[in-house]
Amino acid sequence: LAKTTQPISMDSYEGQEVNITCSHNNIATNDYITWYQQFPSQGPRFIIQGYKTKVTNEVASLFIPADRKSSTLSLPRVSLSDTAVYYCLVGVISGFQKLVFGTGTRLLVSP
Amino acid sequence: DVKVTQSSRYLVKRTGEKVFLECVQDMDHENMFWYRQDPGLGLRLIYFSYDVKMKEKGDIPEGYSVSREKKERFSLILESASTNQTSMYLCASSPTDFTEAFFGQGTRLTVV
Repeated sequence: LAKTTQPISMDSYEGQEVNITCSHNNIATNDYITWYQQFPSQGPRFIIQGYKTKVTNEVASLFIPADRKSSTLSLPRVSLSDTAVYYCLVGVISGFQKLVFGTGTRLLVSP
Repeated sequence: DVKVTQSSRYLVKRTGEKVFLECVQDMDHENMFWYRQDPGLGLRLIYFSYDVKMKEKGDIPEGYSVSREKKERFSLILESASTNQTSMYLCASSPTDFTEAFFGQGTRLTVV
């Protein structure tokens, strides 16, 4: 499994764009990058997944450079409700794998 | 609406008791997982299962066992609860292609 490294915490203000970067230097050819969001006292929920270049959905965008050794989750115009822990996972999406979470990035959005 | 249901939201048990945490999913998923979450340590994988009657150890299996007799149900067992097993326990399920994992609401277990 590719090891991931994320900042422990980030602070932002309402209305700003937030970019959270995840490093995964030993990502394998078949690995995908997946991000989850977790609110206090809840289980994580899937946000976005990608393999290369850029993926966008109604919640976020995921930017993956050509070498795929890092990825950036972009949250446009955050609100107080985006305060949560964000996890970056790297692994294959077929076959057998452990689905390992790290410690994540704690994002605090202030008024 | 897809759902992963954990049997209890809060649970208080005594040291030495045998504790069962139940998890049921209604999505016909092959994969199921048990995690514990403690402040500052993120989610740590205890056990997982990729098929009925199949189980694999995660990163912290000591003191725990699991059972998966039916596809929709994955049970976590604490054979003899100890105070250091006080934690939030989260169950998850995912399809074979791992495109998205779904989590339950968690069980906050306190061992006294």
